Amino acid sequence: ETGVTQSPTHLIKTRGQQVTLRCSSQSGHNTVSWYQQALGQGPQFIFQYYREEENGRGNFPPRFSGLQFPNYSSELNVNALELDDSALYLCASSGVVAGGRGTDTQYFGPGTRLTVL
Amino acid sequence: KNEVEQSPQNLTAQEGEFITINCSYSVGISALHWLQQHPGGGIVSLFMLSSGKKKHGRLIATINIQEKHSSLHITASHPRDSAVYICAVSRGGEKLTFGTGTRLTIIP
Repeated sequence: ETGVTQSPTHLIKTRGQQVTLRCSSQSGHNTVSWYQQALGQGPQFIFQYYREEENGRGNFPPRFSGLQFPNYSSELNVNALELDDSALYLCASSGVVAGGRGTDTQYFGPGTRLTVL
Repeated sequence: KNEVEQSPQNLTAQEGEFITINCSYSVGISALHWLQQHPGGGIVSLFMLSSGKKKHGRLIATINIQEKHSSLHITASHPRDSAVYICAVSRGGEKLTFGTGTRLTIIP
């Protein structure tokens, strides 16, 4: 059973640029959630994808967008980067979100640390 | 006021001490999660519970649904337990809402 992986591990961008972060879910998991963790804070929910469709979104602007692929891997895209986007971005996969109900343990990847200069 | 509050924010203890970290929440939940985050960012899920008590090795998690309160206990603490411990709640499986974490340092 492979764990959740994320790439890249670190990334430096400048304000106004665009970035794509990638996540491979744990084998057998069909749900992926993305979180943003600013320094010294708890993670904040960005959005969740279930079977390639968005299944809930937090309080983030539309320049944060995502995709989930048929193999359940996922991307987080951020356009027009701002300094405040500097954070650790975590993805987590889980196996059961039948109809958006139920809950299951989420398995986290190691995160991508994004620095916006 | 945050939906999930943890206390204390920071905790330093001697090796061997019994550790308690508390979590209170203000919303209805389907489950409460305890997570461990080491320096560098990786998060490990320790427990998911919706009632009663769970135990894994030296870790024990309890929850009181009526009081909207959970505790994480560590027995015979060890320096390798040093990490940030985060409480999070889920409602219907859509997302986790996190507390800000408790930074635990165990001194040899």
